[in-house]
Parts: sequence; C-alpha cells; structure tokens
Amino acid sequence: DAGVTQSPTHLIKTRGQQVTLRCSPKSGHDTVSWYQQALGQGPQFIFQYYEEEERQRGNFPDRFSGHQFPNYSSELNVNALLLGDSALYLCASSFQTGEGGYTFGSGTRLTVV
Amino acid sequence: SQQGEEDPQALSIQEGENATMNCSYKTSINNLQWYRQNSGRGLVHLILIRSNEREKHSGRLRVTLDTSKKSSSLLITASRAADTASYFCATRQTTDSWGKLQFGAGTQVVVTP
Repeated sequence: DAGVTQSPTHLIKTRGQQVTLRCSPKSGHDTVSWYQQALGQGPQFIFQYYEEEERQRGNFPDRFSGHQFPNYSSELNVNALLLGDSALYLCASSFQTGEGGYTFGSGTRLTVV
Repeated sequence: SQQGEEDPQALSIQEGENATMNCSYKTSINNLQWYRQNSGRGLVHLILIRSNEREKHSGRLRVTLDTSKKSSSLLITASRAADTASYFCATRQTTDSWGKLQFGAGTQVVVTP
C-alpha cells in the first residue's frame, strides 16, 4: 500500500523564479494538505484541497497556489520565489476531514538562491 | 503563528533512560497528535489522543492530555538510539471543520548509546 509520494526530493531555484511541487496521496485518501517547514521550526499550514477545490487556506500570500486533479493528486505552485521560501514542503493526505488520521510524505526540500 | 509550544526545545539522554516532553496549546481542541521527524524528513504519526481522553499508550509511548491546563506530555520509555529525532505536537482545533493541524516548534531528542 503506497504512502504519500512527493516529487522532486530536492530543488534549487533562483529568486524570482516559479516552482511546482507534486504530491500523490495515499491510496484511499481524497484530501491533500500542504505544509511549509522552515529550518528549526514546526510545519505551517498552507492550504488544503478536497474535491479539486481549495477548502481551507493558511496565512500565505497569493504567490502560493495549488491544484488538485481528479485522481486526488495535487500540485503546489509558488511564484516570484523569495529567499524566505526556502523550506521543506510537506504534503499530507487524509480521507475527507482526517478523523482517520493523516499520512505525510517525505517532503520536497526547496532552496532559493 | 504556532498553536503549540513544546518544552524542552532539546533533550539529550542515554539509551535506556526515559524521555519526557511537554506541549502546551492555546485554544480548545478536538484532538492532539504527536509526530516524529528524522533529520528533516517526513513526519511519522505516533499517536492521537482525543479531547475526551486523558491517557493513551502505544508500545513504549505514553501520552497524557490535560484539557483544563491545555497541555499534553509524551513519554518515551527505555529510549534507544533510533529514537533520536525531533518530536512535534499538533492540534486540531474544535473551530476547524476540515482538519487543519497546527504544530509546535518541536523538541529535538538525542539518545546516545
């Protein structure tokens, strides 16, 4: 039973560029949440997708956007990258509202130079 | 902003000793979860305790929850070198319908052989 798969594992981008991160949820899960984890900090909620719509959003600027596809996989897009966007981006999947628990992927390490 | 705060920030113990870390939070919660993270990789779910529960066990892990004090503790008994990791508490607030998790900054645990 595959868990949550994230790609790529590592990424280096230049300030001002755009980046797309991808996530495939655990089999049977239909909800995908994205978190940003800066070095030495806990994860911060970015947004959550369910039924191909953004259902909830954290305190992140519009430069952060996402998408969910009919197969429940999801993408996180960040435009106009800033140095401060350097972080580990984690994807978590769950079934609907997550009462049954969450499964996290291994993350994508984004470095902005 | 982070909902939970872990204490201590860092903990160094020897194999065989017990490790205790605490988490305090600010608002009413539906449940509280503990996660482990090895070397900046993905989060591994350890245990979930609901707001109407006071104590829960899973293998060498023991979690307590005191909703009147808005605090929780995680005890790892008979620690092993493999327990070296960062531990995070995450809360799901009662006002949240969709399952957003709010994390603390974590406790770094180092277990030396």
